[in-house]
Amino acid sequence: ELKVEQNPLFLSMQEGKNYTIYCNYSTTSDRLYWYRQDPGKSLESLFVLLSNGAVKQEGRLMASLDTKARLSTLHITAAVHDLSATYFCAVGWGGGADGLTFGKGTHLIIQP
Amino acid sequence: DAGVIQSPRHEVTEMGQEVTLRCKPISGHDYLFWYRQTMMRGLELLIYFNNNVPIDDSGMPEDRFSAKMPNASFSTLKIQPSEPRDSAVYFCASSLTPPGGTDTQYFGPGTRLTVL
Repeated sequence: ELKVEQNPLFLSMQEGKNYTIYCNYSTTSDRLYWYRQDPGKSLESLFVLLSNGAVKQEGRLMASLDTKARLSTLHITAAVHDLSATYFCAVGWGGGADGLTFGKGTHLIIQP
Repeated sequence: DAGVIQSPRHEVTEMGQEVTLRCKPISGHDYLFWYRQTMMRGLELLIYFNNNVPIDDSGMPEDRFSAKMPNASFSTLKIQPSEPRDSAVYFCASSLTPPGGTDTQYFGPGTRLTVL
């Protein structure tokens, strides 16, 4: 069974700071997805990473994938309050046709 | 495109009643997914369809839950009879590819179900 672990699960930080959310997974996969969920809202797709070494950036968020380490990171640069949300990673398994397992989410609060 | 559409957005019912949740996927998406989200268990995949055919229902918690997709633009998730532990947010999502494929999943706004 594929296990996906995110850490930290809760993070409070100040505006202007940098931080990284980590997503570790237990079996071989080269398909990694990041989502954002605002309180009481749906999940919004942020990034799709489909190969080792993939890096994608959108605004103050940058995601990367290291399939050998079974690790993806979501890096936040110069955080702003609007980035407060819960961030989920999800890992595809079975060669891209069998399943998707979500982490428990990282609840991020950015304080002015 | 309007995105994935779900109804109702909120549902409050009493234990033992039948509940039906509805979903319209994004046009052209061959895959439709039903998820349940709770604080305790996080986001769980209940079932998914490919071209209207159920592919994996291993996440359906028990026989009280059933899902159908009579055509490419409509799916239902039914709980009969409902129990308080079914209280959760139920999301429908659709995608061009299977789970773990090259396309992301697009989530609907969710149905918040409360069973009293």
